[in-house]
Amino acid sequence: ETGVTQTPRHLVMGMTNKKSLKCEQHLGHNAMYWYKQSAKKPLELMFVYNFKEQTENNSVPSRFSPECPNSSHLFLHLHTLQPEDSALYLCASSQAGSNSYEQYFGPGTRLTVT
Amino acid sequence: QQQVKQSPQSLIVQKGGISIINCAYENTAFDYFPWYQQFPGKGPALLIAIRPDVSEKKEGRFTISFNKSAKQFSLHIMDSQPGDSATYFCAAKGNFGNEKLTFGTGTRLTIIP
Repeated sequence: ETGVTQTPRHLVMGMTNKKSLKCEQHLGHNAMYWYKQSAKKPLELMFVYNFKEQTENNSVPSRFSPECPNSSHLFLHLHTLQPEDSALYLCASSQAGSNSYEQYFGPGTRLTVT
Repeated sequence: QQQVKQSPQSLIVQKGGISIINCAYENTAFDYFPWYQQFPGKGPALLIAIRPDVSEKKEGRFTISFNKSAKQFSLHIMDSQPGDSATYFCAAKGNFGNEKLTFGTGTRLTIIP
């Protein structure tokens, strides 16, 4: 596996379900990000982790709970979601402090909340 | 003001033509301006980026033009090809002590034969 991988690629869940999204980066980076992508809106940054520590939470509702057990793995735990949470959830990674600000994105998880 | 405004929302260009996508920003603390390209079913990928100390950067058929005084930057795709059909996002990074990117709303580009 190379780059940034995300599983599952598609997820349908009811509003009372609990599920988790997984992201893994194989690039040796030290920063990881969760974004929400909705149609006709800018990518919305949700969470940032640097060296496994959360450094940014963009006023994300508590029904989204991130977890970063190490620099290579990032999870997004979901519970009691709303239909408006349906979107493409993208994970990205970068090498913070390297003077290269490129973020490498995974293919995303298409989430549908019914 | 952290927004980056992008236009047009969608663009249709004939093969061989020039595609132009524009972005504008308010915050003068932005110091890095990348463009990302996204194909269906894929995540965005960095296409080309510029810093505000230069007015133009060219990589192959892709050029960023940067106007610091107007706080605008644009992506030009020369000799546009059907394989360039994708969604393009401009973005900006501020010198706020973090590497957070603020993205535009995206432009869906379609190149027709």
